[in-house]
Amino acid sequence: NAGVTQTPKFRVLKTGQSMTLLCAQDMNHEYMYWYRQDPGMGLRLIHYSVGEGTTAKGEVPDGYNVSRLKKQNFLLGLESAAPSQTSVYFCASSLAATSGANVLTFGAGSRLTVL
Amino acid sequence: DAKTTQPNSMESNEEEPVHLPCNHSTISGTDYIHWYRQLPSQGPEYVIHGLTSNVNNRMASLAIAEDRKSSTLILHRATLRDAAVYYCILRVTGTASKLTFGTGTRLQVTL
Repeated sequence: NAGVTQTPKFRVLKTGQSMTLLCAQDMNHEYMYWYRQDPGMGLRLIHYSVGEGTTAKGEVPDGYNVSRLKKQNFLLGLESAAPSQTSVYFCASSLAATSGANVLTFGAGSRLTVL
Repeated sequence: DAKTTQPNSMESNEEEPVHLPCNHSTISGTDYIHWYRQLPSQGPEYVIHGLTSNVNNRMASLAIAEDRKSSTLILHRATLRDAAVYYCILRVTGTASKLTFGTGTRLQVTL
């Protein structure tokens, strides 16, 4: 049982290049999230999805796009990378519930550097 | 969103208990109190959560004040592997299960 898997783990981009981060979960979770974490800071929500085919904006969505074509996958895209997007990106998933008792399972992170 | 306040850092000796405090004076009646921790170079992992009553699991205990305006995460015997950033988060019922992270408490454990 792999849980939440993120690929790639590391990537270096030049300014203006595009790339996609892939998040895959094998727990049949309905909800999925993308967070970013900058040095010395807590995680900030970029986008999230409450089900296949749905996406919604989080706290810091600008410069990112997402897609949830399959229930188990949540893709985060950068169309034109900027140095300000240098960060560690974490994907998470959870069961479908609006109860405050619902817990999140996180991936190990993807470290992105934009030169 | 209701906010939480935690000390920036704490230190503990190995094999001693650790009490990590969290203030959440604007908590509403249906907000759950969650604790996650982040080990170095890893993603956050769930530790424990509660609503009104104290909770215990294999990792830790959660003590919730009677007025729910504060809580304490208790690690009964800290080990070097418990060195991490601990986040106290209020989970709002009725939203899409989003978590709002603060900067947490960095716990150092020494021999």
